[in-house]
Amino acid sequence: DMKVTQMPRYLIKRMGENVLLECGQDMSHETMYWYRQDPGLGLQLIYISYDVDSNSEGDIPKGYRVSRKKREHFSLILDSAKTNQTSVYFCASSLSRYEQYFGPGTRLTVL
Amino acid sequence: GDSVTQTEGQVTVSESKSLIINCTYSATSIAYPNLFWYVRYPGEGLQLLLKVITAGQKGSSRGFEATYNKETTSFHLQKASVQESDSAVYYCALSDVGYKLTFGTGTSLLVDP
Repeated sequence: DMKVTQMPRYLIKRMGENVLLECGQDMSHETMYWYRQDPGLGLQLIYISYDVDSNSEGDIPKGYRVSRKKREHFSLILDSAKTNQTSVYFCASSLSRYEQYFGPGTRLTVL
Repeated sequence: GDSVTQTEGQVTVSESKSLIINCTYSATSIAYPNLFWYVRYPGEGLQLLLKVITAGQKGSSRGFEATYNKETTSFHLQKASVQESDSAVYYCALSDVGYKLTFGTGTSLLVDP
């Protein structure tokens, strides 16, 4: 069953705390993505990973870093979270550039 | 840079009526980008509804269709008769030569039973 999972689904953190968002996929896709979505905006690309330890910045990488040590896992890390990082975060994976598979999203609130 | 515009944030349609969700695009790095419609049902991730990678062609899936119009740079989503189960958020998107998708802001469709 082709699936992208995200953990946790909901998270509340205080400003300055570290945040770890996890993403997994069971399709052996080489390419994985992290997006965020804010009200009134489309999904914005934070980072793209082309394979293990092969990561590239997207459109809004500032304040984020990523880690990909296994093909099936892609983590998004916020070191010292800020209130403006409150958002819904989506992970995705793809085999080609013609279809991305998305996880259900993580709603992060930074107080 | 590339951009996708969806003018309607929310649309309400009665069941069995027709639907059109507007999408226009602008691609700066490539003349004819790939165009997509994704849909997000409540509690789920986005999933691909349909795609068209050749200008002038039409894509269709689950009763929805969209035509890639390079003259008007539009990719409107249409359905002749909506069902309550079609209630969801619909996103228009484009990609150029790489893997990056540029999304519109989404249109929330509510189908009245």
